[in-house]
Amino acid sequence: EAGVAQSPRYKIIEKRQSVAFWCNPISGHATLYWYQQILGQGPKLLIQFQNNGVVDDSQLPKDRFSAERLKGVDSTLKIQPAKLEDSAVYLCASSFTGGGPYNEQFFGPGTRLTVL
Amino acid sequence: AQRVTQPEKLLSVFKGAPVELKCNYSYSGSPELFWYVQYSRQRLQLLLRHISRESIKGFTADLNKGETSFHLKKPFAQEEDSAMYYCALSVGNDMRFGAGTRLTVKP
Repeated sequence: EAGVAQSPRYKIIEKRQSVAFWCNPISGHATLYWYQQILGQGPKLLIQFQNNGVVDDSQLPKDRFSAERLKGVDSTLKIQPAKLEDSAVYLCASSFTGGGPYNEQFFGPGTRLTVL
Repeated sequence: AQRVTQPEKLLSVFKGAPVELKCNYSYSGSPELFWYVQYSRQRLQLLLRHISRESIKGFTADLNKGETSFHLKKPFAQEEDSAMYYCALSVGNDMRFGAGTRLTVKP
């Protein structure tokens, strides 16, 4: 089966600019996750969708970050305006179900964002 | 709040030697624990789940609630095991990852 797709793979912007990332999950996966991975750290969950509804966005900096999954399939994550500390790899993942001890998340290749 | 600690950023062993990657967690309830692995130029992927009590690629991990640990072990390391390993704790909808350990298996 096709894996999780993300674009772009790399993005370089200047601080205060805006940027958007796109993710297409594995077909049939109801749950979609966005993670931020700063260099030297593990992935940090930003937001989780179940179909087109938000399940958890407690760690999303809502003053500058937004995400949507309007039709319950693909999703976009936006940063507006970007700060230097937003430089990271943004990972998208999907799973058939959300949570639970048998849950397996399938990850995309990530988007590496550099903010200058 | 729940937290995952991987005390070793780097771990290097020789081929055929035993390897143990340490993971400690802080959570007062019943934890759901996972090991994820990222090989060079590949995506992050699930290695094993504690609930399944499985051995994948020769790796096992035992949950020790008394020590709040979930260490990953393999009796004889192979060069192809070289990768970044992340321990993860799931509580409800929240998945917390450790900072990761980079394992290098030398020939």
